[in-house]
Amino acid sequence: AQTVTQSQPEMSVQEAETVTLSCTYDTSESDYYLFWYKQPPSRQMILVIRQEAYKQQNATENRFSVNFQKAAKSFSLKISDSQLGDAAMYFCAYRSGNTGNQFYFGTGTSLTVIP
Amino acid sequence: DGGITQSPKYLFRKEGQNVTLSCEQNLNHDAMYWYRQDPGQGLRLIYYSQIVNDFQKGDIAEGYSVSREKKESFPLTVTSAQKNPTAFYLCASSISPTALGEQFFGPGTRLTVL
Repeated sequence: AQTVTQSQPEMSVQEAETVTLSCTYDTSESDYYLFWYKQPPSRQMILVIRQEAYKQQNATENRFSVNFQKAAKSFSLKISDSQLGDAAMYFCAYRSGNTGNQFYFGTGTSLTVIP
Repeated sequence: DGGITQSPKYLFRKEGQNVTLSCEQNLNHDAMYWYRQDPGQGLRLIYYSQIVNDFQKGDIAEGYSVSREKKESFPLTVTSAQKNPTAFYLCASSISPTALGEQFFGPGTRLTVL
């Protein structure tokens, strides 16, 4: 089974500043998808951004962008101009491009935004 | 509005009782999933279903059972064999097992054993 590692259990950022959350994964596959999900205090899981492994260009969604390093098996999330509403748990997830059935999640990073 | 609903939001169970958590989706998704979330452990897969009348065990299936009689419904039963069932349970769906895309999640059910 693939493993997804988030080595930062907790992070904090000053409002309006930039923060980067780390994620690494272990796989022998060449075709896969990567995701970042946000879980606010309501506990509703919300998709933030996704990246197809075959795409070299890093995905961007407004203030959220990723740094996808395929050779290093690294998939970090950058949040620019942090807002109070960004405070949440963030989960990195992997989905195989071959079997496609299962998603593998990291243990999460709790982000605090300081006013 | 399309989405996934889970009920109830909060559920209390006495030891030795079976309880069933409901999950319904109107997204016309083929695949559905059940996860358990505990503090510090992320999401762990209990069961998943790729198609009606078919389902597979995930990493922590012991003490749980599921059914998939209808495309839109995937209920999870927590049996008395599950020794530590207190947790937050999330249901999810995706378009199909072969079409790559993200999972969509329900709002979750918090189960507490009294």
